[in-house]
Amino acid sequence: DQQVKQNSPSLSVQEGRISILNCDYTNSMFDYFLWYKKYPAEGPTFLISISSIKDKNEDGRFTVFLNKSAKHLSLHIVPSQPGDSAVYFCAASVMYSGGGADGLTFGKGTHLIIQP
Amino acid sequence: DAGVTQSPTHLIKTRGQHVTLRCSPISGHKSVSWYQQVLGQGPQFIFQYYEKEERGRGNFPDRFSARQFPNYSSELNVNALLLGDSALYLCASSITAPGGNSPLHFGNGTRLTVT
Repeated sequence: DQQVKQNSPSLSVQEGRISILNCDYTNSMFDYFLWYKKYPAEGPTFLISISSIKDKNEDGRFTVFLNKSAKHLSLHIVPSQPGDSAVYFCAASVMYSGGGADGLTFGKGTHLIIQP
Repeated sequence: DAGVTQSPTHLIKTRGQHVTLRCSPISGHKSVSWYQQVLGQGPQFIFQYYEKEERGRGNFPDRFSARQFPNYSSELNVNALLLGDSALYLCASSITAPGGNSPLHFGNGTRLTVT
Protein backbone atom coordinates (compact mmCIF):
# COMPACT_ATOMS: atom_id res chain seq x y z
CA ASP A 1 0.00 0.00 0.00
CA GLN A 2 1.66 3.18 -1.21
CA GLN A 3 1.19 5.96 1.30
CA VAL A 4 2.81 8.64 -0.88
CA LYS A 5 1.88 8.73 -4.54
CA GLN A 6 3.33 10.64 -7.45
CA ASN A 7 1.04 9.69 -10.29
CA SER A 8 3.01 11.32 -13.10
CA PRO A 9 6.16 9.33 -13.93
CA SER A 10 7.34 12.15 -16.20
CA LEU A 11 6.59 15.77 -17.04
CA SER A 12 7.89 17.87 -19.91
CA VAL A 13 7.90 21.69 -19.57
CA GLN A 14 9.29 24.43 -21.74
CA GLU A 15 12.14 26.53 -20.37
CA GLY A 16 10.85 29.69 -18.69
CA ARG A 17 7.39 28.27 -17.98
CA ILE A 18 6.02 26.98 -14.68
CA SER A 19 6.59 23.36 -13.65
CA ILE A 20 4.00 21.86 -11.31
CA LEU A 21 4.72 18.52 -9.69
CA ASN A 22 2.00 16.81 -7.70
CA CYS A 23 1.94 14.42 -4.78
CA ASP A 24 -0.89 12.72 -2.87
CA TYR A 25 -0.71 10.96 0.47
CA THR A 26 -3.05 8.65 2.32
CA ASN A 27 -1.70 8.63 5.89
CA SER A 28 -3.42 11.45 7.80
CA MET A 29 -0.73 11.24 10.49
CA PHE A 30 1.86 12.72 8.12
CA ASP A 31 2.66 16.25 9.24
CA TYR A 32 5.99 17.09 7.61
CA PHE A 33 6.54 17.04 3.87
CA LEU A 34 9.65 17.46 1.77
CA TRP A 35 10.69 17.61 -1.87
CA TYR A 36 13.99 16.17 -3.05
CA LYS A 37 15.66 16.43 -6.44
CA LYS A 38 17.88 13.67 -7.80
CA TYR A 39 20.35 13.67 -10.66
CA PRO A 40 21.66 10.36 -12.05
CA ALA A 41 24.55 8.90 -10.03
CA GLU A 42 23.93 11.33 -7.16
CA GLY A 43 21.97 11.11 -3.94
CA PRO A 44 18.72 13.06 -3.46
CA THR A 45 19.21 16.74 -2.70
CA PHE A 46 16.85 18.51 -0.32
CA LEU A 47 14.84 21.29 -2.01
CA ILE A 48 12.09 22.55 0.26
CA SER A 49 9.85 21.39 3.09
CA ILE A 50 6.56 22.30 4.74
CA SER A 51 4.95 21.36 8.01
CA SER A 52 1.23 20.78 8.38
CA ILE A 53 0.70 24.04 10.25
CA LYS A 54 1.35 25.90 7.00
CA ASP A 55 -0.25 25.75 3.58
CA LYS A 56 2.55 27.39 1.60
CA ASN A 57 6.31 27.71 1.78
CA GLU A 58 8.48 29.62 -0.65
CA ASP A 59 12.20 29.53 -1.36
CA GLY A 60 13.34 31.43 -4.41
CA ARG A 61 11.96 29.80 -7.54
CA PHE A 62 10.44 26.93 -5.52
CA THR A 63 7.07 27.02 -3.76
CA VAL A 64 5.37 24.11 -2.04
CA PHE A 65 1.62 24.13 -1.43
CA LEU A 66 -0.12 21.84 1.04
CA ASN A 67 -3.84 21.03 1.00
CA LYS A 68 -4.43 18.94 4.11
CA SER A 69 -8.12 18.30 3.48
CA ALA A 70 -7.31 16.84 0.05
CA LYS A 71 -4.11 15.18 1.30
CA HIS A 72 -2.30 16.78 -1.61
CA LEU A 73 0.83 18.79 -2.06
CA SER A 74 2.45 20.35 -5.07
CA LEU A 75 5.80 21.85 -5.98
CA HIS A 76 5.88 24.87 -8.28
CA ILE A 77 9.08 25.88 -10.06
CA VAL A 78 9.01 29.31 -11.69
CA PRO A 79 10.65 29.96 -14.07
CA SER A 80 11.81 26.48 -15.10
CA GLN A 81 15.47 26.24 -16.11
CA PRO A 82 17.41 23.51 -17.97
CA GLY A 83 19.26 22.59 -14.77
CA ASP A 84 15.92 21.69 -13.19
CA SER A 85 15.75 18.55 -15.34
CA ALA A 86 15.94 15.74 -12.77
CA VAL A 87 13.79 13.26 -10.87
CA TYR A 88 11.75 14.88 -8.10
CA PHE A 89 10.69 12.91 -5.05
CA CYS A 90 7.95 13.85 -2.64
CA ALA A 91 8.47 12.56 0.92
CA ALA A 92 6.45 12.63 4.12
CA SER A 93 6.92 11.80 7.78
CA VAL A 94 5.23 11.85 11.14
CA MET A 95 6.95 14.28 13.51
CA TYR A 96 6.75 13.47 17.17
CA SER A 97 9.10 14.33 19.98
CA GLY A 98 11.33 11.71 21.55
CA GLY A 99 10.83 8.03 21.00
CA GLY A 100 11.40 6.30 17.69
CA ALA A 101 11.15 7.51 14.16
CA ASP A 102 9.66 5.89 11.09
CA GLY A 103 11.86 7.69 8.64
CA LEU A 104 10.65 9.36 5.48
CA THR A 105 8.12 7.73 3.17
CA PHE A 106 8.91 8.55 -0.45
CA GLY A 107 6.87 8.55 -3.62
CA LYS A 108 8.19 6.90 -6.78
CA GLY A 109 9.32 10.18 -8.27
CA THR A 110 8.50 12.32 -11.29
CA HIS A 111 11.06 12.82 -14.03
CA LEU A 112 10.96 16.51 -14.99
CA ILE A 113 12.33 17.39 -18.41
CA ILE A 114 12.87 21.06 -19.23
CA GLN A 115 12.87 21.64 -22.97
CA PRO A 116 14.72 24.60 -24.51
CA ASP B 1 32.19 21.45 4.20
CA ALA B 2 32.11 17.78 3.24
CA GLY B 3 28.70 16.28 2.70
CA VAL B 4 27.63 12.76 3.61
CA THR B 5 30.24 10.33 2.33
CA GLN B 6 29.62 6.67 1.57
CA SER B 7 31.94 3.82 0.68
CA PRO B 8 32.32 1.92 -1.48
CA THR B 9 30.56 3.55 -4.43
CA HIS B 10 29.99 0.24 -6.22
CA LEU B 11 30.05 -3.35 -5.04
CA ILE B 12 29.38 -6.71 -6.65
CA LYS B 13 28.61 -9.68 -4.41
CA THR B 14 27.37 -13.24 -4.85
CA ARG B 15 24.16 -14.65 -3.38
CA GLY B 16 24.67 -15.82 0.20
CA GLN B 17 27.57 -13.49 0.89
CA HIS B 18 27.73 -10.73 3.47
CA VAL B 19 28.25 -7.01 2.79
CA THR B 20 29.20 -3.98 4.90
CA LEU B 21 28.47 -0.47 3.71
CA ARG B 22 29.94 2.59 5.41
CA CYS B 23 28.77 6.15 5.93
CA SER B 24 30.22 9.32 7.43
CA PRO B 25 27.68 12.01 8.27
CA ILE B 26 28.05 15.74 7.83
CA SER B 27 30.19 17.19 10.62
CA GLY B 28 27.97 18.05 13.58
CA HIS B 29 25.16 15.72 12.52
CA LYS B 30 24.37 13.07 15.11
CA SER B 31 21.54 11.27 13.32
CA VAL B 32 22.17 8.78 10.51
CA SER B 33 19.56 6.95 8.44
CA TRP B 34 19.80 4.24 5.81
CA TYR B 35 17.54 3.85 2.79
CA GLN B 36 17.29 1.32 -0.02
CA GLN B 37 16.34 2.46 -3.51
CA VAL B 38 15.52 -0.11 -6.16
CA LEU B 39 15.14 0.89 -9.79
CA GLY B 40 11.95 2.81 -10.51
CA GLN B 41 11.05 3.29 -6.86
CA GLY B 42 11.60 5.94 -4.24
CA PRO B 43 14.02 5.35 -1.36
CA GLN B 44 12.68 3.01 1.33
CA PHE B 45 13.54 3.50 5.01
CA ILE B 46 15.72 0.83 6.62
CA PHE B 47 17.16 2.25 9.88
CA GLN B 48 17.63 5.43 11.82
CA TYR B 49 20.31 5.94 14.48
CA TYR B 50 20.78 8.79 16.88
CA GLU B 51 23.51 9.07 19.49
CA LYS B 52 24.57 5.47 18.71
CA GLU B 53 21.14 4.04 19.45
CA GLU B 54 18.65 2.59 16.99
CA ARG B 55 15.67 4.92 16.95
CA GLY B 56 13.68 3.48 14.08
CA ARG B 57 13.51 0.45 11.82
CA GLY B 58 11.67 -0.04 8.56
CA ASN B 59 10.08 -3.18 7.20
CA PHE B 60 13.25 -5.12 6.40
CA PRO B 61 14.24 -8.65 7.46
CA ASP B 62 16.68 -9.39 10.26
CA ARG B 63 19.40 -10.01 7.66
CA PHE B 64 19.76 -6.22 7.70
CA SER B 65 21.53 -4.68 10.68
CA ALA B 66 23.34 -1.44 11.38
CA ARG B 67 25.29 0.37 14.03
CA GLN B 68 26.53 3.87 14.76
CA PHE B 69 29.95 4.57 16.19
CA PRO B 70 31.07 7.17 18.78
CA ASN B 71 32.20 9.48 15.94
CA TYR B 72 28.62 9.19 14.51
CA SER B 73 29.71 7.26 11.42
CA SER B 74 27.63 4.21 10.62
CA GLU B 75 27.74 0.79 9.01
CA LEU B 76 24.95 -1.14 7.33
CA ASN B 77 25.38 -4.90 7.25
CA VAL B 78 23.43 -7.32 5.10
CA ASN B 79 23.81 -11.07 5.58
CA ALA B 80 22.86 -13.93 3.28
CA LEU B 81 22.50 -11.68 0.25
CA LEU B 82 19.63 -12.29 -2.15
CA LEU B 83 19.30 -11.17 -5.74
CA GLY B 84 16.54 -8.81 -4.59
CA ASP B 85 19.00 -6.93 -2.39
CA SER B 86 20.50 -5.39 -5.51
CA ALA B 87 19.83 -1.69 -5.10
CA LEU B 88 21.27 1.73 -4.38
CA TYR B 89 21.85 2.08 -0.63
CA LEU B 90 21.62 5.65 0.57
CA CYS B 91 22.86 7.06 3.82
CA ALA B 92 21.50 10.34 5.14
CA SER B 93 22.34 12.52 8.11
CA SER B 94 20.44 15.23 9.92
CA ILE B 95 21.25 17.68 12.65
CA THR B 96 18.22 16.97 14.81
CA ALA B 97 17.11 13.93 16.71
CA PRO B 98 14.28 11.77 15.35
CA GLY B 99 11.07 13.72 15.43
CA GLY B 100 12.76 16.98 14.59
CA ASN B 101 11.94 18.91 11.46
CA SER B 102 15.44 19.13 10.04
CA PRO B 103 15.71 17.67 6.54
CA LEU B 104 17.82 14.66 5.71
CA HIS B 105 20.97 15.22 3.68
CA PHE B 106 21.86 12.24 1.49
CA GLY B 107 25.13 10.82 0.28
CA ASN B 108 25.58 9.59 -3.29
CA GLY B 109 24.94 6.01 -2.28
CA THR B 110 26.51 2.60 -2.72
CA ARG B 111 25.36 0.64 -5.76
CA LEU B 112 25.15 -3.03 -4.70
CA THR B 113 24.77 -5.72 -7.33
CA VAL B 114 24.09 -9.29 -6.19
CA THR B 115 24.74 -12.00 -8.77
